[in-house]
Amino acid sequence: GAVVSQHPSWVICKSGTSVKIECRSLDFQATTMFWYRQFPKQSLMLMATSNEGSKATYEQGVEKDKFLINHASLTLSTLTVTSAHPEDSSFYICSASPSPSSYEQYFGPGTRLTVT
Amino acid sequence: AQSVAQPEDQVNVAEGNPLTVKCTYSVSGNPYLFWYVQYPNRGLQFLLKYITGDNLVKGSYGFEAEFNKSQTSFHLKKPSALVSDSALYFCAVRDRFSGTYKYIFGTGTRLKVLA
Repeated sequence: GAVVSQHPSWVICKSGTSVKIECRSLDFQATTMFWYRQFPKQSLMLMATSNEGSKATYEQGVEKDKFLINHASLTLSTLTVTSAHPEDSSFYICSASPSPSSYEQYFGPGTRLTVT
Repeated sequence: AQSVAQPEDQVNVAEGNPLTVKCTYSVSGNPYLFWYVQYPNRGLQFLLKYITGDNLVKGSYGFEAEFNKSQTSFHLKKPSALVSDSALYFCAVRDRFSGTYKYIFGTGTRLKVLA
């Protein structure tokens, strides 16, 4: 149980285009989902927290107009990188939590984004 | 502010030997502590957590961790390392006061088990 998927697993796009990454909880309903960014050989940096049906809460320094997050259902959250640039190239990981009182987060396998 | 420290960037251990990956924390109140493992180009896999109760927590794949309140530590241990344990390990504390239930991660420790 508690499986989270991400799609795509990797994507290459051209500078200036937008890319959408999906995060799905496959066998549970996720009231809260988190989006992280990880640079090579570095820790995870939380970008934003999204709750189903409400606006995402972005961490300080994260551009909410560039990284659009939508959590339209209890099993799906999307991250759209708008007008991508090479510096947006990174490993993006989502996680999901069944409820605010749930202690664990369940992580997706990650999406490798390369912007050329 | 709450924080987690993993003082070692890399730990090398011979296969069959015991391993320890260190983690210290700084939180207000009682901590919720976690260990996750990450294999190359993969997401994080849950190993174990400490919420309350017994200070020795047993988790997946033979790993365990000891919560030490006086030393504010939560070191990850395994009695006998396997080559397949080689991976990146993250310690995390859950933020209990921001209302977002987000994790604060340590910087990660790369474990290398030598055959």
